[in-house]
Amino acid sequence: GAVVSQHPSWVICKSGTSVKIECRSLDFQATTMFWYRQFPKQSLMLMATSNEGSKATYEQGVEKDKFLINHASLTLSTLTVTSAHPEDSSFYICSATRLIFWNSPLHFGNGTRLTVT
Amino acid sequence: EDQVTQSPEALRLQEGESSSLNCSYTVSGLRGLFWYRQDPGKGPEFLFTLYSAGEEKEKERLKATLTKKESFLHITAPKPEDSATYLCAVQVFYSGGSNYKLTFGKGTLLTVNP
Repeated sequence: GAVVSQHPSWVICKSGTSVKIECRSLDFQATTMFWYRQFPKQSLMLMATSNEGSKATYEQGVEKDKFLINHASLTLSTLTVTSAHPEDSSFYICSATRLIFWNSPLHFGNGTRLTVT
Repeated sequence: EDQVTQSPEALRLQEGESSSLNCSYTVSGLRGLFWYRQDPGKGPEFLFTLYSAGEEKEKERLKATLTKKESFLHITAPKPEDSATYLCAVQVFYSGGSNYKLTFGKGTLLTVNP
C-alpha cells in the first residue's frame, strides 16, 4: 500500500518552455503532498507543501510564480516549471501522506529528472 | 537552524561485513527521526521512524537506534542488494507553515561488494 506515482520519470525541454509534472497517490487519499528538489550528492530540499483545495505553501527562496503547484484532488498534485532555464535542471520528487497522525510517514514518488537545454 | 549531518558520506563494505551509519542532528524540538533508502534515480523508500531516545527498530539486516543527539543505522551481514544511499530526516515541532516539514541529511552512499 501507499504507492505514489510520478510522471514523467524524465523530461528534456528547451529553455523558456514550461513543463508539468504529475504526482498521484494510487491507493490512498493524500491530504497533503510535498514537492522536493534534489541536486547530485545533495539532500532533498523541500520546495512547497500543498493541501487539497488550497494554495500551496512555499519555502523561503522558492519562486511561487515559477514553480506553480496545483492540488485539485485528494489523489493528484501537479508542479509546473514555467519558463524553464538550465539552472532549473534537477531531480524533482513528490511525496504524499494521509496525515491521519502527525507522524504518518511520507511516501515518495520515483522522481522526475528535468533537463533544460 | 535545524541541521542534519550524516557520516560517512560514502562507505564500502564487503558482503557480510557489518557496520553502522551515523546521523547527528541539531534541532529545536524533535518530533521524529526517519530513515529512508534511496536507489539511484528513484525516490526514497521509507524504512523506520524513531520518536524518543533509547528507541530501537529492526527490519531484516537493518537496525535503527536513537539518542538525544544522533541516530545510528546498523547493518548486519550486508548483502550487495543493500547497496543504496541511506537518508535520515528529522521532523520538528514547527509553529508556522508546514507542520510536517522534514529536514534531510545528504545521505550515506553504501556499496556492498560481493
